[in-house]
Amino acid sequence: DIVMTQTPSSQAVSAGEKVTMSCKSSQSLLYSENKKNYLAWYQQKPGQSPKLLISWASTRESGVPDRFIGSGSGTDFTLTISSVQAEDLAVYYCEQYYDTPLTFGSGTKLEIK
Amino acid sequence: QVQLKESGPGLVQPSQTLSLTCTVSGFSLTSYSVHWVRQHSGKSLEWMGRMWSDGDTSYNSAFTSRLSISRDTSKSQVFLKMNSLQTEDTGTYYCAREDLGQGDYFDYWGQGVMVTVSS
Repeated sequence: DIVMTQTPSSQAVSAGEKVTMSCKSSQSLLYSENKKNYLAWYQQKPGQSPKLLISWASTRESGVPDRFIGSGSGTDFTLTISSVQAEDLAVYYCEQYYDTPLTFGSGTKLEIK
Repeated sequence: QVQLKESGPGLVQPSQTLSLTCTVSGFSLTSYSVHWVRQHSGKSLEWMGRMWSDGDTSYNSAFTSRLSISRDTSKSQVFLKMNSLQTEDTGTYYCAREDLGQGDYFDYWGQGVMVTVSS
């Protein structure tokens, strides 16, 4: 199984600050034939279901604010929130869909100071 | 609009069978695959298995021996059955729709159903 490691497990930032969180996979998620990285990011707010933010490592879903930026390739990926808002309080998960079983990281909990 | 809604018993006794239903609307089960994902309280997400749009299924090998996923397209429902439940199976169970973008990621999720395994 592909292991997804997210760091940090939690972080607290003030509104308006920039935040980055990491997701590393135990093997490359880059498919050579189409040059795509098989990685998604989800946001789970307290008491809610996960919400898809980003697919293919960097493609923002329709309606997702442009402060959410996905980057990275191969085994190292980053989710950046350029200017954190109070409503971004949530746990953020990465998911690899390069191979089954599909696997998720353990999450990064974002707290607002 | 697209909706998925899980239903089932909130409490199951150890060694018994869990039966959950995912009722979908706003899309056809013959066009989209639907997955089951569970989440232990305060923990990460665990993929359980999938009902493909063509009716085939695939499972996480961690559950293969005791998990079964089926569907009734006429009722727009996908079913999960898992036997030999243990306390470790306590958690929230979600059904989620796979995006059509040729990747196994999930564009819509149900609200989840909390299941407690306890005597």
